[in-house]
Amino acid sequence: ETGVTQTPRHLVMGMTNKKSLKCEQHLGHNAMYWYKQSAKKPLELMFVYNFKEQTENNSVPSRFSPECPNSSHLFLHLHTLQPEDSALYLCASSQGFMAYNEQFFGPGTRLTVL
Amino acid sequence: QQQVKQSPQSLIVQKGGISIINCAYENTAFDYFPWYQQFPGKGPALLIAIRPDVSEKKEGRFTISFNKSAKQFSLHIMDSQPGDSATYFCAASGSNYKLTFGKGTLLTVNP
Repeated sequence: ETGVTQTPRHLVMGMTNKKSLKCEQHLGHNAMYWYKQSAKKPLELMFVYNFKEQTENNSVPSRFSPECPNSSHLFLHLHTLQPEDSALYLCASSQGFMAYNEQFFGPGTRLTVL
Repeated sequence: QQQVKQSPQSLIVQKGGISIINCAYENTAFDYFPWYQQFPGKGPALLIAIRPDVSEKKEGRFTISFNKSAKQFSLHIMDSQPGDSATYFCAASGSNYKLTFGKGTLLTVNP
């Protein structure tokens, strides 16, 4: 595996389910990000981890819970989601913690909440 | 003040033509302006970026033009090819890790 991988690629869940999204980066980077991409909207930064420490929680509802056990893995735990949470969830990583440190994105998980 | 306004929302260009996408920002603290390219089923990938100390940056067929006084920047794709068909996002950032993205432009290049 190379770059940033995300699993699953597609997920359909009911509003009462609990599921997790997984991201793994094979680039040796030290920062990881979760973004939400909705149609006709700008990418929204949700969470940022720098050296496994969370440094950003961009007013994200508590039904989204991130976990970063090490600098290569990032999870997004989901529970009691709403239909408006349906979107493409993108993971990214970078070496360095400034915007000019190129962020490498995974292909995303397409989430549908019924 | 954190918004980046991108236009047009969609763009259709003939093969060999010039594609132009424009972005405008309000926050004068922004000092890094990247463009990302996203193909269907893929995540965004950095295409080209510029700092405000230069007015233009060119990489192959892709050029960023930057107008600091107008707080605008644009992406020009010369000799557009069908393989350039993708969604393009402009973004801006100040002295931190946060990228503020535009809403994206869906570019279609007809053969």
